[in-house]
Amino acid sequence: NAGVTQTPKFRILKIGQSMTLQCTQDMNHNYMYWYRQDPGMGLKLIYYSVGAGITDKGEVPNGYNVSRSTTEDFPLRLELAAPSQTSVYFCASSYSSSQHTGTGGRETQYFGPGTRLLVL
Amino acid sequence: AQKVTQAQTEISVVEKEDVTLDCVYETRDTTYYLFWYKQPPSGELVFLIRRNSFDEQNEISGRYSWNFQKSTSSFNFTITASQVVDSAVYFCALKSNTGKLIFGQGTTLQVKP
Repeated sequence: NAGVTQTPKFRILKIGQSMTLQCTQDMNHNYMYWYRQDPGMGLKLIYYSVGAGITDKGEVPNGYNVSRSTTEDFPLRLELAAPSQTSVYFCASSYSSSQHTGTGGRETQYFGPGTRLLVL
Repeated sequence: AQKVTQAQTEISVVEKEDVTLDCVYETRDTTYYLFWYKQPPSGELVFLIRRNSFDEQNEISGRYSWNFQKSTSSFNFTITASQVVDSAVYFCALKSNTGKLIFGQGTTLQVKP
């Protein structure tokens, strides 16, 4: 059971380049999330998805796009990389019920190992 | 508004000391979840504990214990007999009815030998 996996682990981009950060989970979780963590800061939500075909903006969505064609995968796309997007990106997943009746670990977000992105 | 405040930016202790990390939250939701995550120097985020708003019992897991008090909107985390391996950044987080996880700024704990 791999949990949440992310690729690549590290990437250097030039300004204006594009790339896709990959995220896959094998826990059959319905919710998936993308966060960014800037140095010395907490995590900020970029986008999230409540299920295949459904995505929504988080706190800091500008400059990013996502798609959710399957339950397992939730890629994050950077179209025109900017230095302000230098950060560590974390993908997470959870099982969430609308009535918050989760038990045994439901509602808990499990994180991938992160992707360190440097835009120069 | 939903907010999590970890007022302690950095804490430094000597091994075997007890240390408490503070977390204060704000929410208007009646149902919510609180979490603690550990981020060691290697960078990954490790889930430590989840507590729902209906359960105010304190939790103990080995050297770790958590004190949840709704009256003061606090969810504090205590490490007993700290060890060097406890050195990490610790995040408190609040999950609202929208499903979004709101993180505090984190507390960096340094345990010196």
